[in-house]
Amino acid sequence: SSELTQDPAVSVALGQTVRITCQGDKIRNFYTSWYQQMPGQAPMLVVYGKNNRPSGIPDRFSGSTSGNTASLTITGAQAEDEADYYCSSRDSSDNHLQVFGGGTKLTVL
Amino acid sequence: QMQMQESGPGLVKPSETLSLTCTVSGGPISSSSYSWGWVRQTPGKGLEWIGNIYYTGSAYYNPSLKSRLTLSVDASKNQFSLRLSSMTAADTAVYYCARRNRGFLEWISQYYYYMDVWGKGTTVTVSS
Repeated sequence: SSELTQDPAVSVALGQTVRITCQGDKIRNFYTSWYQQMPGQAPMLVVYGKNNRPSGIPDRFSGSTSGNTASLTITGAQAEDEADYYCSSRDSSDNHLQVFGGGTKLTVL
Repeated sequence: QMQMQESGPGLVKPSETLSLTCTVSGGPISSSSYSWGWVRQTPGKGLEWIGNIYYTGSAYYNPSLKSRLTLSVDASKNQFSLRLSSMTAADTAVYYCARRNRGFLEWISQYYYYMDVWGKGTTVTVSS
């Protein structure tokens, strides 16, 4: 099975740009999806596919991939962006399996 | 707008079987475009994919849970369910149901997945 590795914690100054990364052996093959989770709430999809955002997600959220690293970029981070962020992708060993990264806690200073 | 709601016991005894149901509203579960899945989160930890099922009944399980896990779907009730046997304290978690959508990667003729609708989650504690 595949594993996705995320930095446990990242911080950003208010209004600055932050990149949250997700590393995995097979990330280059399949698009990564990104989820935001506020304390006590369910995860919410923020980016999927090549660089798509569900309706209602601000355009300051964007996704990209380079080699075996996927990135979620928040351009002009806001206080309300402080949350846990998880990446997810397909497990390369099976067409239908899925894996999540360990999550990154984003602090907006 | 589609909504999903988990239901089931909040407390399960060790060695017993957990049964959870997810009720889908705002759209039919019998769509070939989606599969229906479960994700759990142990206290203070990250997300763990449990498994997914299509309305046809084809199910796919996390290998680490496969021996104890059964997913099922009832299209007539617009519901799908999870059964996890031989529960232990390590299974104490918040259990979420979610709709899994997919996109097609033409250059490798494969799908990629993303979970675009989530339930609010239900807390399950394993304790005697």
